[in-house]
Amino acid sequence: KAGVTQTPRYLIKTRGQQVTLSCSPISGHRSVSWYQQTPGQGLQFLFEYFSETQRNKGNFPGRFSGRQFSNSRSEMNVSTLELGDSALYLCASSSTGEYSPLHFGNGTRLTVT
Amino acid sequence: GEDVEQSLFLSVREGDSSVINCTYTDSSSTYLYWYKQEPGAGLQLLTYIFSNMDMKQDQRLTVLLNKKDKHLSLRIADTQTGDSAIYFCAESLNQGGKLIFGQGTELSVKP
Repeated sequence: KAGVTQTPRYLIKTRGQQVTLSCSPISGHRSVSWYQQTPGQGLQFLFEYFSETQRNKGNFPGRFSGRQFSNSRSEMNVSTLELGDSALYLCASSSTGEYSPLHFGNGTRLTVT
Repeated sequence: GEDVEQSLFLSVREGDSSVINCTYTDSSSTYLYWYKQEPGAGLQLLTYIFSNMDMKQDQRLTVLLNKKDKHLSLRIADTQTGDSAIYFCAESLNQGGKLIFGQGTELSVKP
């Protein structure tokens, strides 16, 4: 079974721009979660989607948004990029989200200049 | 509140056992996880334990859970240089895909 696939692996954007990151979950997994990893704050939960609906949300500003498609693939979008948005963005999938472990992709490294 | 604490560094010799410790604060945790992160990579799920279990063994890995003290440990037997990585513990509060992660323990294995 293929793992969680995230594209692109690396992105460089300028402050004020917007960016879209993509995640393809493990086949059969219906839950997709997004995390931000930075040296200062560690791993922080952004949001989770299940069956195309946002089921849970972390404490991030509205500039961070996401969606999930009917094939369970997910995208996250960050608008009006700030320097502090530079991070590794990790996507994880699970079969139901509750009582099932999260499997992570290799992440997208976003650098904002 | 939600908080998970880990020591930041651990150094061991190849062939020794490594023990990585973690404490958490929320007694409503359902599952507790251990993930491994190598440079430039995502998180690899190593093992997990349900909160009503005390111990789980999986090949070289042994997880011990002391629910009374809210203490979790990961023991790696016969540690190899390939085990050098950052290890994260995480708790699930039964909120879907939301996990609370510790800061990570950097394990360095010296030959």
